[in-house]
Amino acid sequence: AQSVAQPEDQVNVAEGNPLTVKCTYSVSGNPYLFWYVQYPNRGLQFLLKYITGDNLVKGSYGFEAEFNKSQTSFHLKKPSALVSDSALYFCAVRDRGGNKLVFGAGTILRVKS
Amino acid sequence: DGGITQSPKYLFRKEGQNVTLSCEQNLNHDAMYWYRQDPGQGLRLIYYSQIVNDFQKGDIAEGYSVSREKKESFPLTVTSAQKNPTAFYLCASTRGGPHHQPQHFGDGTRLSIL
Repeated sequence: AQSVAQPEDQVNVAEGNPLTVKCTYSVSGNPYLFWYVQYPNRGLQFLLKYITGDNLVKGSYGFEAEFNKSQTSFHLKKPSALVSDSALYFCAVRDRGGNKLVFGAGTILRVKS
Repeated sequence: DGGITQSPKYLFRKEGQNVTLSCEQNLNHDAMYWYRQDPGQGLRLIYYSQIVNDFQKGDIAEGYSVSREKKESFPLTVTSAQKNPTAFYLCASTRGGPHHQPQHFGDGTRLSIL
């Protein structure tokens, strides 16, 4: 069965600094990997996904993620954080034959000015 | 604008009462999903439907029921058998086909016990 771990409950970063939100996964075979963002009392918004190919995936709002097969990781990154990036971030994995998307517990990102 | 509409935004349930949460999409998506979100636990899958008149249990289906009579609608009923219903409920949909299609989410219904 697939699983996702987001080892940090919260990440704090100063505005203008680079940010990283960590995600590791476990799945049989090759995964599809996703990042979503959630603002208070709203649904999840899709940021980016990894299907195959280039290990660096670019997404919405300047976010990118790096797929590392040997470390089974898919960390979310942004070169320069904005206060408006403060939100709850979810990593999710789906195995290629499965019907279900499995989510991590989420990481709160706080960007301070 | 295409999207997913969940209603109501807030819902209160009395002891022994069944309540129904609405989810409607105009994206022409084939698959629809219901998730439950509790603080610190991420999203857990309740039910999903890949086609009209068919649905499957997710990981936490006990105490819930669904129907899929129309492509655009996937209502969730929280029955009195669900003893801890207080949570944020999210509906999502996705196109059929490859499993790398991202899911689109509604803005949720927050259910509380009276």
